[in-house]
Amino acid sequence: GAGVSQSPSNKVTEKGKDVELRCDPISGHTALYWYRQSLGQGLEFLIYFQGNSAPDKSGLPSDRFSAERTGGSVSTLTIQRTQQEDSAVYLCASSFQLTGVRTEAFFGQGTRLTVV
Amino acid sequence: AQTVTQSQPEMSVQEAETVTLSCTYDTSESDYYLFWYKQPPSRQMILVIRQEAYKQQNATENRFSVNFQKAAKSFSLKISDSQLGDAAMYFCAYRSAWGGSQGNLIFGKGTKLSVKP
Repeated sequence: GAGVSQSPSNKVTEKGKDVELRCDPISGHTALYWYRQSLGQGLEFLIYFQGNSAPDKSGLPSDRFSAERTGGSVSTLTIQRTQQEDSAVYLCASSFQLTGVRTEAFFGQGTRLTVV
Repeated sequence: AQTVTQSQPEMSVQEAETVTLSCTYDTSESDYYLFWYKQPPSRQMILVIRQEAYKQQNATENRFSVNFQKAAKSFSLKISDSQLGDAAMYFCAYRSAWGGSQGNLIFGKGTKLSVKP
C-alpha cells in the first residue's frame, strides 16, 4: 500500500478481554516498530522486527503483551487480559532499513484502545 | 541508555513569525540520526526533518531548519513564517546508526505548538 495501515482505528474493550491490533507496513520495508502513546505523553517503544532476525522485545511492559510478524510483512500486537492502564494509542511504523541513509520511519495513524 | 529531552511542553507563535523548539539528548555514541516528527490531531506522525550526526551542515526543509550542536548534544527545530497548519505536537527522536538492539527510535515527550492567527 501507499502508507502504513493500522486496524482497527478505534477499539473499545472490556477489562480482562484479549485484543489484537494489526499493522500492514509499507511494501518492501524490512523494519517494523510498535509504540504506545498514552494521553499527553511521548512514544514508548514496545517491540521491533528487522527482517528475519529475532525481534527486540525489550520494551514490552508485561508478559500480557506479545507481537508477531508473519512473512516479514503484516504484524499483530496482542494484549491479553487487558487492563485499564493499557488504554492508549498504539502506533506502528516501518522503515526501509534499520541502518544507513534510508532509516526514517513512516507511521500509521494508530489504534486508539480504550479499556472499560 | 540514550535519552531525549524536550523541555518545552507547550509553545505559542504568531502566524508568519518564527519559533524555535528545543531538544537535547544524551548518548555515548558518535554515529546516530536525529529526527523531528510532527503529530497533528489526526495522530499521524509525519517526518519533518532529519539530521545525520556525521554531517556538520544543518539540515533544512523549506521553512523548517535545525540547529545541530553535536558537542552540546542539542538539536533544535526552527520554523520560519509559521502557518496555522503548523499547529501540532512536535517530537524529537534519536536513533543509533548501528541498528541491532539499538535500532528503535527514542522519543522526547513532545512540545505542543499553537499558532495564533
